[in-house]
Amino acid sequence: TQLLEQSPQFLSIQEGENLTVYCNSSSVFSSLQWYRQEPGEGPVLLVTVVTGGEVKKLKRLTFQFGDARKDSSLHITAAQPGDTGLYLCAGGRSGGSNYKLTFGKGTLLTVNP
Amino acid sequence: SAVISQKPSRDICQRGTSLTIQCQVDSQVTMMFWYRQQPGQSLTLIATANQGSEATYESGFVIDKFPISRPNLTFSTLTVSNMSPEDSSIYLCSVRFMSSYEQYFGPGTRLTVT
Repeated sequence: TQLLEQSPQFLSIQEGENLTVYCNSSSVFSSLQWYRQEPGEGPVLLVTVVTGGEVKKLKRLTFQFGDARKDSSLHITAAQPGDTGLYLCAGGRSGGSNYKLTFGKGTLLTVNP
Repeated sequence: SAVISQKPSRDICQRGTSLTIQCQVDSQVTMMFWYRQQPGQSLTLIATANQGSEATYESGFVIDKFPISRPNLTFSTLTVSNMSPEDSSIYLCSVRFMSSYEQYFGPGTRLTVT
């Protein structure tokens, strides 16, 4: 079974603080995706990383894929209340019709004004 | 990307009944999936909906309990049969294009079984 461990599970911070969420596995993934899910909504895709060592930036969010493609991190700079939500990482393996995502358990982030 | 809609958005059902959830996509997609997200939990893949053939189920999920149809490239249904309170969950439709790693999710159907 491929496991994706996310940490921390819960995070409550003040507006303006920085934070990092980690996603770790012993397995190698073809790709890794980060989603944000708000209450009552489906997960919204934030980014996909596919190359070891890859770094992608989305405004105040920075995503990194580990060199060995086994881990990833999400860093948020100057967090805002609108960043509140459940952050999920998902790793993909195999290709074509056999490609499937394995999800981590998520990090529930609360940004207090 | 793809725009995905699901019906119903939520429902409260009695034990022993069945509910069919519909998923409509605004473009022809290769892969369609159904996930379950139990309260406070992450996403668990139920099955891959295959066009014109039987769905491919993950371990722990069976066709008799979760029959799935996919008559074309833009539409699928998931039925939750003979429901029990343990089936209370959010059910999510998801799609992916064959040539891409990106996978997109619908808004979900929140099911409560009493």
